[in-house]
Amino acid sequence: AQSVAQPEDQVNVAEGNPLTVKCTYSVSGNPYLFWYVQYPNRGLQFLLKYITGDNLVKGSYGFEAEFNKSQTSFHLKKPSALVSDSALYFCAVSSVGDTGRRALTFGSGTRLQVQP
Amino acid sequence: GAGVSQSPSNKVTEKGKDVELRCDPISGHTALYWYRQRLGQGLEFLIYFQGNSAPDKSGLPSDRFSAERTGESVSTLTIQRTQQEDSAVYLCASSSDSSYNEQFFGPGTRLTVL
Repeated sequence: AQSVAQPEDQVNVAEGNPLTVKCTYSVSGNPYLFWYVQYPNRGLQFLLKYITGDNLVKGSYGFEAEFNKSQTSFHLKKPSALVSDSALYFCAVSSVGDTGRRALTFGSGTRLQVQP
Repeated sequence: GAGVSQSPSNKVTEKGKDVELRCDPISGHTALYWYRQRLGQGLEFLIYFQGNSAPDKSGLPSDRFSAERTGESVSTLTIQRTQQEDSAVYLCASSSDSSYNEQFFGPGTRLTVL
């Protein structure tokens, strides 16, 4: 079974400061890792993904994430936070298991609050 | 269409009634997923369709829940004899045929069971 943990329910950061949203995962086999963002009253939007290759993945809106195999982590980062980054962030993992299912397993979400 | 669409956007129903939720995936996407998101919580997988393969129904919480998909097009999620705990946002997503292709989500249907 695959699982994702987002240990922080909420992250607070001042505008202009760097931000990190943590994610760890557990899968058998190679993980495919994703970050999604959910703005208020809107659907989930894809931010970035790691499939293979460089451990540092760059995505939309200036976000990036670093895949760390030894720590089974895929933390989301941004060098300089904006107030408009305030939203709910979900980490997700996908792998082809015994059933061949490819649905994503989502973490519980981390609410990012960027203060002006 | 440009993205995944869902209807209705909001549905209020009385306990015990049946409801049907609709999802129109992105054209050409062979995979379709239904998720449930309760207030303040993460996404809960419900069911997954992939092409003409038998759907993965392992996430359906009870036999009151069922879903159908015609070919690689529209899907409907049906909840029979709704209960108050069914109140949630029901999200549909589609992707092309690969486990590493990102899923594109619809805006969701907010279901309220009174």
